[in-house]
Amino acid sequence: NAGVTQTPKFRVLKTGQSMTLLCAQDMNHEYMYWYRQDPGMGLRLIHYSVGEGTTAKGEVPDGYNVSRLKKQNFLLGLESAAPSQTSVYFCASGVGLEQFFGPGTRLTVL
Amino acid sequence: RKEVEQDPGPFNVPEGATVAFNCTYSNSASQSFFWYRQDCRKEPKLLMSVYSSGNEDGRFTAQLNRASQYISLLIRDSKLSDSATYLCVVNGPSGAGSYQLTFGKGTKLSVIP
Repeated sequence: NAGVTQTPKFRVLKTGQSMTLLCAQDMNHEYMYWYRQDPGMGLRLIHYSVGEGTTAKGEVPDGYNVSRLKKQNFLLGLESAAPSQTSVYFCASGVGLEQFFGPGTRLTVL
Repeated sequence: RKEVEQDPGPFNVPEGATVAFNCTYSNSASQSFFWYRQDCRKEPKLLMSVYSSGNEDGRFTAQLNRASQYISLLIRDSKLSDSATYLCVVNGPSGAGSYQLTFGKGTKLSVIP
């Protein structure tokens, strides 16, 4: 099992560009999550999904959109990237409250 | 008051030492508590759950005090490989579904030879 994988691992964007981060899990988990982690801020929940076709806002959803068309995939979109979105993005999946994290995507917005 | 508060450290301890981390949480309705470990530039990984009666996993002991809304993690006989950031995690925040977790900012531990 690969667990939770994220694509890409690194990305540099210019302000205003768009991109999609892909998260995939092979553990048949219902719940999936997108977090961002910034120095001194800890992990903050952006959006989450409790099942295929459902999504909900977390603590810091502004500037992001998500989709969960397939149970195993959870996509995070940035429509118009801003420097404030420079961060490390972690995807997680879980059953119950135990969450398994992907390796992260390091995004820099110039 | 922040949802989950931890001393950021860093804690610099010699090999073999015992070190304790503390954490407080604000949501009195929280029912589930965890410690995660995060190595530098890596993803968080579950270290252990925290049960009301306290629990032990090898050199690691977790304690919960619901009345004080306080969680602790004790590491005995520290190893170099214990160097990491330890995240206190509580289900919540207040009003959220029970499947959401709130993470503390973490306490950094460096074990020195």
